[in-house]
Amino acid sequence: QLQLQESGPGLVKPSQTLSLTCTVSGGSISSGTYYWSWIRQPAGKGLEWIGRIYTSGSTDYNPSLKSRVSIFRDTSRNHFFLKLSAVTAADTAVYYCARGISVFGVPGSWFDPWGQGTVVTVSS
Amino acid sequence: SYELTQPPSVSVSPGQTARITCSGDALPKLYVHWYQKKPGQAPVLVMYQDNERPSGIPERFSGSSSGTTGTLTISGVQAEDEADYYCQSADSSGSYQEVFGGGTKLTVL
Repeated sequence: QLQLQESGPGLVKPSQTLSLTCTVSGGSISSGTYYWSWIRQPAGKGLEWIGRIYTSGSTDYNPSLKSRVSIFRDTSRNHFFLKLSAVTAADTAVYYCARGISVFGVPGSWFDPWGQGTVVTVSS
Repeated sequence: SYELTQPPSVSVSPGQTARITCSGDALPKLYVHWYQKKPGQAPVLVMYQDNERPSGIPERFSGSSSGTTGTLTISGVQAEDEADYYCQSADSSGSYQEVFGGGTKLTVL
């Protein structure tokens, strides 16, 4: 059974870089018609897609965050990572990693499963 | 930027039918997917590709899409269905970046 688990510092200072790890077990991040995403939810607000990394290693990012976001991977450890630079209080949220599932030739995809999420607070 | 629009709230009594809508200009061309989100828990996929129900999701959950509106229907609502529900699709421009609706709070009266 595929499982994802987020980890990383729960507190980040303003202007610094947020770094999170998603550990994937029960499946490989470098095979299949899948991609691997980061999604966040600020308290009291909705879900926001941050970006994704494909099994090929290519990436896509939310245009609103693109200048500050980097997603990369370590296939030998079956982990993928999120870095978000120059954080502010607006980046305080629960951060989730999730597997994106797509069908060849069909645009778009859906997310299943999700990790349990990790709370990141931006504060001095 | 592309948006998916959901009603902020829907309220139904136990045993009734709840319908949650999601509107987006690209939905005639792209699938809509749905997630259930309870406080302190990760989102759970309850419907994908408009009307496909994942394994383990009760049959009372169903989905449809017509024109620019996708609909998640919960028949015979139970107290445990009280949650936030989010639709998700993709922006039809460029590399099909993913987009979520603003979420709908389902209250079981």
